[in-house]
Amino acid sequence: GAVVSQHPSWVICKSGTSVKIECRSLDFQATTMFWYRQFPKQSLMLMATSNEGSKATYEQGVEKDKFLINHASLTLSTLTVTSAHPEDSSFYICSARDPTKNIQYFGAGTRLSVL
Amino acid sequence: QKEVEQDPGPLSVPEGAIVSLNCTYSNSAFQYFMWYRQYSRKGPELLMYTYSSGNKEDGRFTAQVDKSSKYISLFIRDSQPSDSATYLCAMTVSYSGAGSYQLTFGKGTKLSVIP
Repeated sequence: GAVVSQHPSWVICKSGTSVKIECRSLDFQATTMFWYRQFPKQSLMLMATSNEGSKATYEQGVEKDKFLINHASLTLSTLTVTSAHPEDSSFYICSARDPTKNIQYFGAGTRLSVL
Repeated sequence: QKEVEQDPGPLSVPEGAIVSLNCTYSNSAFQYFMWYRQYSRKGPELLMYTYSSGNKEDGRFTAQVDKSSKYISLFIRDSQPSDSATYLCAMTVSYSGAGSYQLTFGKGTKLSVIP
């Protein structure tokens, strides 16, 4: 089946530093990719929709200057958490939409811990 | 009324049992229906994908969509301890435009299969 690779799977950083998470679509060209955040025992919360070659669309309440999204190619989207703080600690998951089937395939997720 | 309702469980069954998971929804524009399985601290994994109404079978899994009742189901036959996970239903519309392709999720049902 289709594969979406997300890296790193776990990152620990100091407060005030920036962290970049990569999401790669390995089996298809993804014009649209998504970034989610998930708190323990809760469902996925959509943060932003990323379209290749254009600015990301952020959901209400998500700070676009804090969560920088770049989708420069059809197979790669990145999420940069800038000036991370402990409250940014969470599980971040990306997904890529296969346009031929209108299905989203998810990455394995990144666990971010900000000290 | 929430767009997608899913009983969060937890649901506990003995090994070998038939499991029935369900979601109801209110938006008649939904056309694509998916079931994802999510293990703890992992990204969701696509199990089943159905377009419009009907049944779909894949091994021990059967997905049913009844658009007239706005009701979808996932059946797991001969359940195994390895099926223990959270099961998320998700759905989306078929048009393109602002906010399109976004998945609307149920809250997930936590399933435990006891050996």
